[in-house]
Parts: sequence; C-alpha cells; structure tokens
Amino acid sequence: QSALTQPPSASGSPGQSVTISCTGTSSDVGGYNYVSWYQQHPGKAPKVIIYEVSKRPSGVPDRFSGSKSGNTASLTVSGLQAEDDGDYYCSSHSPGNKLVFGGGTKLTVL
Amino acid sequence: QVTLRESGPALVKPTQTLTLTCTLSGLSLTIDEMCVSWIRQSPGKALEWLARIDWDNDKYYSASLKTRLTISKDTSKNLVVLTMTNMDPADTATYYCARMRFGLYYFDYWGQGTLVTVSS
Repeated sequence: QSALTQPPSASGSPGQSVTISCTGTSSDVGGYNYVSWYQQHPGKAPKVIIYEVSKRPSGVPDRFSGSKSGNTASLTVSGLQAEDDGDYYCSSHSPGNKLVFGGGTKLTVL
Repeated sequence: QVTLRESGPALVKPTQTLTLTCTLSGLSLTIDEMCVSWIRQSPGKALEWLARIDWDNDKYYSASLKTRLTISKDTSKNLVVLTMTNMDPADTATYYCARMRFGLYYFDYWGQGTLVTVSS
C-alpha cells in the first residue's frame, strides 16, 4: 500500500488556525472512517490526537479537530500555540487489516 | 500504568536477522481485542507500519516487507517479538511497538522506541 499524501510543511502564527491535509484512495481514507492523526515531538514517540476521523482522546485540547471528505482527511489546529510545533502524521486502516501512514507534515509555529 | 518497552540490538550487520522484543506492562496480551503492532521510522523520515498480532494470534504484515517479517507473541511473558531477515542499511530506523484495540485502528499506547543501525 502507498503512503498517504501530506504536505511536507505547514506554518502559522500563535493564535491562528492551520489545516493539514491527508490524501489517500477509496481503498483507505475514502473507504473507512478509521483515519487517525498523531503528533510527534523530536525524540519522542507519536501521540494520538484524533481517531476515527474526528474523535479526540481524553486530554487532547479541543483546538485539534478532524474531518474527512472523500479520499482526503484534514486536521485543523485552531488557536495555535508554541507547543503545537512538531510533526504530524495521518494514518488510515486499509484492506487486509493493514495500516498506512502519511508522509508527515512539519508544523512550525512562527 | 500501561507501558510498552522495546528491546534489541542497537547495531546489526547487513544480511543479519534482527530480533526485537516488546514487553508489555499493565496490559495482558490475552485480553480480547488486544492488538500490538510494530512501526518504524527511519531518521528524518515518516512512520511505516510493519506488522500486527492480535490476541487470537491473527497476524498481518506490510505487503512490501511481508517476506522478511515474522511477528509472534509469548503470552506467558507478555511480550511480542518481531524478526526481520536480511537486514540492509536502509532498515536503519527507530522501531516502535504500539497497542491498538481491535476495531479501533489507532494506537493509544506506544513504546519509547529503539534505534537499530544497520552497518558493517
């Protein structure tokens, strides 16, 4: 399975909103409501911030939101804060009980 | 407290077989809906899903690496083992194990990762 497509970088100033896209196919993103998003800081393991397209785990600020349209999922970070700086990865369930990740997006808070 | 801890060699030579262990604490591999995956990340690169083993011993592999990977578990020791054959410098990466609940398809618990370098 091919990796999901994410923009390599995104940026915004504190307080602004930024949206990161994640494009797959009808066999993964478009075929299931099992898109999740992970935040990763340097030297750390990823942390889930969105699952099942738009659900937030307990403890994740509501500044993080997710959505999906067709084969493209999106993560929106509202009210950017300095600690949001990091790498973001989408993932999707894919046929055969496999999983595919996106190429990652480096979010810079200016 | 739930923890996953990866262990294995930090350095392997090309063509060798890598064996990594993921030891779980605070969660049993035998409970229903328990799934453990291995994921790797080459330096500066994206995450790559490798394999998954479920509580009922079902196993799934990345299509591109299927011929080189074997995932197994030892329920008496509460650990998951990944072997990867014919290691290549391109396999240099941090290897993570992570827990997923069956049917939810996201990882809620991750290990801290273990860096494996492939070099002669």
